[in-house]
Amino acid sequence: GESVGLHLPTLSVQEGDNSIINCAYSNSASDYFIWYKQESGKGPQFIIDIRSNMDKRQGQRVTVLLNKTVKHLSLQIAATQPGDSAVYFCAERGAGGSNYKLTFGKGTLLTVNP
Amino acid sequence: NAGVTQTPKFRILKIGQSMTLQCTQDMNHNYMYWYRQDPGMGLKLIYYSVGAGITDKGEVPNGYNVSRSTTEDFPLRLELAAPSQTSVYFCASSYSGSDTEAFFGQGTRLTVV
Repeated sequence: GESVGLHLPTLSVQEGDNSIINCAYSNSASDYFIWYKQESGKGPQFIIDIRSNMDKRQGQRVTVLLNKTVKHLSLQIAATQPGDSAVYFCAERGAGGSNYKLTFGKGTLLTVNP
Repeated sequence: NAGVTQTPKFRILKIGQSMTLQCTQDMNHNYMYWYRQDPGMGLKLIYYSVGAGITDKGEVPNGYNVSRSTTEDFPLRLELAAPSQTSVYFCASSYSGSDTEAFFGQGTRLTVV
């Protein structure tokens, strides 16, 4: 069935380094791919999205890359800070009549070491 | 602006008991969602609503019921609690179904024993 998954369940980085969180998806029909951040004890929070017809999108300290050839999505965080420690989920949004639906991956735990 | 508010934050139920998880949002969003998050897993959609009076099933609706009598409120009902319903439940809302940004509540941690 349709699924969104992650290559690495955990990632540990030093403060100030760049972080790269990866995600594989299987539904080529999804029209948007989204990254959410979930801090301990909180609900997920939207970070950035990318439309399926784009390859790259940048936000504040974050960049999302989309490789449709290999169905791969990544989130790059520049100059990672302790406040970036969280679980990061990739999600895909269905196209057309199911565009309300977000399908979430399992998540990657990012730990930033001081 | 409170956003999405869920109550209670924690609850322990005995098998067979029932309860209602409350969710309210003050952003005048049309779409509301209930997700469950099992340990080490992503979120799975239980039910959603596109507006007052309209609800529909998500991926894992069995054992749950919802209602949407107002734009603001979207309660989730468990009628006969089972251990398999032990999970963290998140309510979310978005202005429309085409929004990629959904706003989540802080979650309700439910344990069924």
